[in-house]
Amino acid sequence: GAVVSQHPSRVICKSGTSVKIECRSLDFQATTMFWYRQFPKQSLMLMATSNEGSKATYEQGVEKDKFLINHASLTLSTLTVTSAHPEDSSFYICSAWELYNEQFFGPGTRLTVL
Amino acid sequence: AQTVTQSQPEMSVQEAETVTLSCTYDTSESDYYLFWYKQPPSRQMILVIRQEAYKQQNATENRFSVNFQKAAKSFSLKISDSQLGDAAMYFCAYRSGAARQLTFGSGTQLTVLP
Repeated sequence: GAVVSQHPSRVICKSGTSVKIECRSLDFQATTMFWYRQFPKQSLMLMATSNEGSKATYEQGVEKDKFLINHASLTLSTLTVTSAHPEDSSFYICSAWELYNEQFFGPGTRLTVL
Repeated sequence: AQTVTQSQPEMSVQEAETVTLSCTYDTSESDYYLFWYKQPPSRQMILVIRQEAYKQQNATENRFSVNFQKAAKSFSLKISDSQLGDAAMYFCAYRSGAARQLTFGSGTQLTVLP
């Protein structure tokens, strides 16, 4: 089956620094990738949709200057949390669209901002 | 906009018994897909079952089956012969036929009692 990886799985950073999270589709090409945010015991909240070679589409209320998304190739999308603050601490999940099998999800990244 | 409602925040079932998780949705579209995802403690999202709206036959995957009531906009998940490994958060999700984004319900936390 299709596999999506995320790196890192956990990251701890100081307030004010930037953090990059990578999402890779390992055995298929993904023209579309999605980024979600999940708080404990809550549902997944779609942050943005990224299409290879074009600008990401952000959901209402998501700061595009804080959450920079780049989808430079058919197998890699990155989410950069700029000038991170404690309120950005969360679980971030990516998924990749595979034409016949819908979205495949990465294992998630736990971000803690001190 | 489409909405997905899961009215049971928590459910429990005895091992080897059957449990049904409820989901209702609201849409004016005729072409759409419905999903149940499982999120175990590892937080890896796993697709359990998928239903195409145009199909009248209810989808089944081994011990998992759905009751799709299109007119009532209801999409419940039945888990038969529950196992300890079924313990997880279960999310109902909707996708428009014309889009790739998923809309998730709030989730149901399932506990399996030994």
